Amino acid sequence: QQPVQSPQAVILREGEDAVINCSSSKALYSVHWYRQKHGEAPVFLMILLKGGEQKGHDKISASFNEKKQQSSLYLTASQLSYSGTYFCGTASGNTGKLIFGQGTTLQVKP
Amino acid sequence: GAGVSQSPRYKVTKRGQDVALRCDPISGHVSLYWYRQALGQGPEFLTYFNYEAQQDKSGLPNDRFSAERPEGSISTLTIQRTEQRDSAMYRCASSLSPYGEQFFGPGTRLTVL
Repeated sequence: QQPVQSPQAVILREGEDAVINCSSSKALYSVHWYRQKHGEAPVFLMILLKGGEQKGHDKISASFNEKKQQSSLYLTASQLSYSGTYFCGTASGNTGKLIFGQGTTLQVKP
Repeated sequence: GAGVSQSPRYKVTKRGQDVALRCDPISGHVSLYWYRQALGQGPEFLTYFNYEAQQDKSGLPNDRFSAERPEGSISTLTIQRTEQRDSAMYRCASSLSPYGEQFFGPGTRLTVL
């Protein structure tokens, strides 16, 4: 079952914050976040393992609520370079099989 | 380069022909993954390997699709008797350790006429 991402699209001004959510109907072992720019390959952002941890680097962080089977990606003080499509990939066990969501398109304007 | 490479980058073939797509992972990466990505959609899992062992092939659409990684490095995704619905971007990824962060290659754009 494909995880559901929300919102589908968001437009921001530079410096504004955004939250992207990823929800699954299945119990999750891990959540991966990737960003993909038009015409390029997806680029890894971070992995969260079950345990409800929160991770972050620079102004991008993420949380994982195992009980709710949800993860959220937080983008603070957005930059033009943050524009792209964000995908969450979920694993329901200790497996390399990732099921990706449909993506959230983020556009940051000057 | 040190990244994942795929060849060919573009492949145009006629319906009914067989195609072989190659993936060269980052040196030393244990795990290798194959995905298919439609325009505007997330990657769709096809199969993955740890070393030379195929761990999961549940995402392969039908028996026309097969993959191998005989020496635990380069992998080939083969599509037999191609159909127009097989047209898509096929992406390969690799990770240093099983289940770790995946590094994606540039993809092979397959067009079946």
